[in-house]
Amino acid sequence: EIVLTQSPGTLSLSPGERATLSCRASQSVSSSYLAWYQQKPGQAPRLLIYGASSRATGIPDRFSGSGSGTDFTLTISRLEPEDFAVYYCQQYGSSPPLYSFGQGTKLEIK
Amino acid sequence: EVQLVQSGAEVKKPGESLKLSCKGSGYSFTSYWIAWVRQMPVKGLEWVGIIYPGDSDTRYSPSFQGQVTISADKSIDTAYLQWNSLKASDTAIYYCARHPKYSSGYRYFDFWGQGALVTVSS
Repeated sequence: EIVLTQSPGTLSLSPGERATLSCRASQSVSSSYLAWYQQKPGQAPRLLIYGASSRATGIPDRFSGSGSGTDFTLTISRLEPEDFAVYYCQQYGSSPPLYSFGQGTKLEIK
Repeated sequence: EVQLVQSGAEVKKPGESLKLSCKGSGYSFTSYWIAWVRQMPVKGLEWVGIIYPGDSDTRYSPSFQGQVTISADKSIDTAYLQWNSLKASDTAIYYCARHPKYSSGYRYFDFWGQGALVTVSS
C-alpha cells in the first residue's frame, strides 16, 4: 500500500504570497498517476492538477504541479482570497487499495 | 455540461440497509468509470471503490470489500453504493466521482457529485 504524507498540515499565508505544498509517497508513484484537489467547506473536492503537472480545465495558471518518484509539489504562485481551502494529493498504484489520498494540507489566511 | 447528481441525505439506524445513487449526465456514461469516496466527519478522503458502467467491472478498497456493494444501471446512467447492514461507523459524506478510461494513461477524478451525508444512529 502506498501512503501519501502531505506537509505542512496547516499553512498560514497572506493573499499575494506564494504557497508551496508537499506530497511525499512511501513508494515511487508514476507521475501520470498523481493528482491534486482543492476542497472548500461544504463543497465537493475539485480537480486542480492531474499527471503531476497538467492543469485541469478552467484552473488558473497560478496553480502548478511538479515532481516525480516520491516527491510532488503543488505551488500557488500568488494567493487569491478564494484559494484558502484544504488541498489533497491522490495517487493510483497497482496494489490495493488502488487509490489513496494524502491527509490534506489546510491553507489558511494569516 | 457534465454533472453527477447524487441522492439526498439519509438518517438510518444501525442494521438498516441503504442504497445511494449517482446519476450522470452531459457525457457518455458508459465510457468513464465512476468511483465512490468517503469523507468521515472532519476527516480526509478515502477511496471506496470504482465501477465501469460499460461492463460493470468493479474494484473495491480492501477496507470496504464485503462491507458495501457498488453497481450501475447503464440504461438510466446511474451508479449505486449499497449497504445491507449499516453501522454507526458508516456515518460520513459519500461522493461519487467520474474517472477517465484507464487507456487515457491517467488516474484522476475530474467531476464530483455534490455528496450525500449518511448518518447512522440509534
